Amino acid sequence: DTAVSQTPKYLVTQMGNDKSIKCEQNLGHDTMYWYKQDSKKFLKIMFSYNNKELIINETVPNRFSPKSPDKAHLNLHINSLELGDSAVYFCASSQDLGRTQYFGPGTRLLVL
Amino acid sequence: KQEVTQIPAALSVPEGENLVLNCSFTDSAIYNLQWFRQDPGKGLTSLLLIQSSQREQTSGRLNASLDKSSGRSTLYIAASQPGDSATYLCAVNQGAQKLVFGQGTRLTINP
Repeated sequence: DTAVSQTPKYLVTQMGNDKSIKCEQNLGHDTMYWYKQDSKKFLKIMFSYNNKELIINETVPNRFSPKSPDKAHLNLHINSLELGDSAVYFCASSQDLGRTQYFGPGTRLLVL
Repeated sequence: KQEVTQIPAALSVPEGENLVLNCSFTDSAIYNLQWFRQDPGKGLTSLLLIQSSQREQTSGRLNASLDKSSGRSTLYIAASQPGDSATYLCAVNQGAQKLVFGQGTRLTINP
């Protein structure tokens, strides 16, 4: 069983489009995160949710909107995609804040 | 602002050697520190987590140390194997809320 899963695995789209990435964890964790890994492989946190509440929003453009319908899911919606949004987006979860984080396989987004 | 640096950026060693990967951070007020490995095109796998009150953690051939006062952590890999080839990432947990990552060390173990 996959602990943290993301869909889709690959996403190729045109500039200006709106797209969503879904994340689900079956670990029973309370906290979920979104990270962005850029072309230089640098990982940076974007958002974290604890018990469905937003905890961290790291100066991410408001074109990015996370949504947590329940503790097991944290989706990422991106409006008006730009070339610079091309990256790998990782979802992660942890039992609570400060515990070991478990990562999903990543979603490779390419904006043309 | 916390900054995490990993040196070297890349390392290539023969199979069987013991090796050390280094991580340094600028703000010693951390909650914990976590080491990950990332295989090409894959997600991150957690290796070890050291709480700020701990000095080291061990898992199999891996040993991670933490010197919070000097802002340093090391990951020691004993008897390296080709399967250890990956990028190793160090991440500092700030205030139990977010991980700040280094840029990683790309490790290659040559058979």
